[in-house]
Amino acid sequence: NAGVTQTPKFQVLKTGQSMTLQCAQDMNHNSMYWYRQDPGMGLRLIYYSASEGTTDKGEVPNGYNVSRLNKREFSLRLESAAPSQTSVYFCASSEALAGVYNEQFFGPGTRLTVL
Amino acid sequence: GEDVEQSLFLSVREGDSSVINCTYTDSSSTYLYWYKQEPGAGLQLLTYIFSNMDMKQDQRLTVLLNKKDKHLSLRIADTQTGDSAIYFCAEKDGGATNKLIFGTGTLLAVQP
Repeated sequence: NAGVTQTPKFQVLKTGQSMTLQCAQDMNHNSMYWYRQDPGMGLRLIYYSASEGTTDKGEVPNGYNVSRLNKREFSLRLESAAPSQTSVYFCASSEALAGVYNEQFFGPGTRLTVL
Repeated sequence: GEDVEQSLFLSVREGDSSVINCTYTDSSSTYLYWYKQEPGAGLQLLTYIFSNMDMKQDQRLTVLLNKKDKHLSLRIADTQTGDSAIYFCAEKDGGATNKLIFGTGTLLAVQP
């Protein structure tokens, strides 16, 4: 099993450009998440998908859109990139079973720089 | 809203014990977690504790939970250079989702 995979690993954009970050998981998990990691701020949830066909905003959704393409794939789109979106982006997935701890499994991250 | 706080940095000598502290605000959290992030990598679950427990031990790791003070700690015994990483505390959102609220992370530097 590959676990959670993300592409690309690195990306440099100019302000105003658009791009889509791809994420896929092969663990048959129901829930998927997108986080951004910034120094001194920990991980902040951008969007999540509790199950296939649903998406919801997290803590910092502005400037992003998501698509839960199928159970495996959850993409994050930046329509018009801004320097404030320079960050490391992590995708994660988990089961969604009631009453258990439901570990989140993380991808290796995408390092995005917006000039 | 929910908030999880940690100190940003801890430096210890190899062989000493490390204690990383965390405070959280959501008293309805059912699970609390410690994740480890090595340089250039994603996060990996290190351990977790259910909210009705006070302590959990797993080899060199000891987790202590004080629900009254909403304080969580991670003790690493006999700290090794391979333990150098960022450690994140997280609480499970008290609602119906499986969302996690992460702390800012503590960078543990282990000096040889």
